[in-house]
Amino acid sequence: EDKVVQSPLSLVVHEGDTVTLNCSYEVTNFRSLLWYKQEKKAPTFLFMLTSSGIEKKSGRLSSILDKKELFSILNITATQTGDSAVYLCAVGDPNFGNEKLTFGTGTRLTIIP
Amino acid sequence: SQTIHQWPATLVQPVGSPLSLECTVEGTSNPNLYWYRQAAGRGLQLLFYSVGIGQISSEVPQNLSASRPQDRQFILSSKKLLLSDSGFYLCAWSLGQGRKQPQHFGDGTRLSIL
Repeated sequence: EDKVVQSPLSLVVHEGDTVTLNCSYEVTNFRSLLWYKQEKKAPTFLFMLTSSGIEKKSGRLSSILDKKELFSILNITATQTGDSAVYLCAVGDPNFGNEKLTFGTGTRLTIIP
Repeated sequence: SQTIHQWPATLVQPVGSPLSLECTVEGTSNPNLYWYRQAAGRGLQLLFYSVGIGQISSEVPQNLSASRPQDRQFILSSKKLLLSDSGFYLCAWSLGQGRKQPQHFGDGTRLSIL
């Protein structure tokens, strides 16, 4: 059974701190790894990673994938209160339709002003 | 640009009652469509996906069903709800035809069964 494990489960930091969120996976057929941010409702897409060692960056957020060690990290620098959310990691499997996503349970990030 | 609409936002239903949740996508054609459930403290669980009209695949056995009567419409139904059906239901879409594209989610329906 495919498995995605995120750590830590929750994290509380002060505004301005840098955080690193972890995602490890065990899947039969890997295609891609995706990061989402979920505030109150819809998860919003952040990054999709398919190749090892290539960092994806968007503003203060960045992510990288290690396909040999089967993990990814999401970094957020100079955190702001608007970064408070649950961050979800998902791994894609190409063996049906387009993408089957197996999700982790998420990391709840709280930024204290 | 593409948008996804899901309704209702919240729903309270008694055990044994029927269910119908609707999801529509605008701004694209022939999308892949998905229904997920998110239970408290658990990851999103894929329930159904569809790659075209009338084509539905089920991921987990349950008393729920899905239908896709039109290209951009996806419906989640049940004839008789169970207490265990409570949760947060999310619809998602992605570009189809085997392209490696992320899924995009609607705002979800919070379903409480009494």
